[in-house]
Amino acid sequence: QKEVEQNSGPLSVPEGAIASLNCTYSDRGSQSFFWYRQYSGKSPELIMFIYSNGDKEDGRFTAQLNKASQYVSLLIRDSQPSDSATYLCAVNRNSGGYQKVTFGIGTKLQVIP
Amino acid sequence: NAGVTQTPKFQVLKTGQSMTLQCAQDMNHNSMYWYRQDPGMGLRLIYYSASEGTTDKGEVPNGYNVSRLNKREFSLRLESAAPSQTSVYFCASSEVGRGTGELFFGEGSRLTVL
Repeated sequence: QKEVEQNSGPLSVPEGAIASLNCTYSDRGSQSFFWYRQYSGKSPELIMFIYSNGDKEDGRFTAQLNKASQYVSLLIRDSQPSDSATYLCAVNRNSGGYQKVTFGIGTKLQVIP
Repeated sequence: NAGVTQTPKFQVLKTGQSMTLQCAQDMNHNSMYWYRQDPGMGLRLIYYSASEGTTDKGEVPNGYNVSRLNKREFSLRLESAAPSQTSVYFCASSEVGRGTGELFFGEGSRLTVL
């Protein structure tokens, strides 16, 4: 079992729809959870982080965390063609001053105009 | 504001050649990391340096060495390149214990080993 599981996609949604991206993780000691966006040929950039169970909203993005189910999700409302990218789920565990960050393989999102 | 700077951006090597990827950050972060990214495999940690003067192996260290030259710089060396090391390499930095724990990435170095 991979430490962080994501469906590689592609996930295709029409412009204006809600895109739902999901991620599960295996390490119950994970402390913080991140969503990075990566455009083709570019480096990952952080778009959301969440530490506590529940929802966290930032503009069109909502991150959801359920530690009991070991599940993290990202919702993108009013999806735009510019949201087309690969979304990487990452989980973090601090260990002796080192951040053990494990990434999923990423879900490719395609927003169709 | 440069952030994390990697060089070179592109490199082609022949099997058996050596090279060093350079990375520098100007955010005064303590921790630095080297990842490789391959299709279908995601980002995998090669080596990390929790603080100046320390380095440790990550998930896929074989065939690589690193040097944490000072707080700013963290280099990755391939002593005898192999085709399996064809990949995109990312350097990253973070500040453990403060802020969000976000990883700040360089632009990446695309390496091809023939």
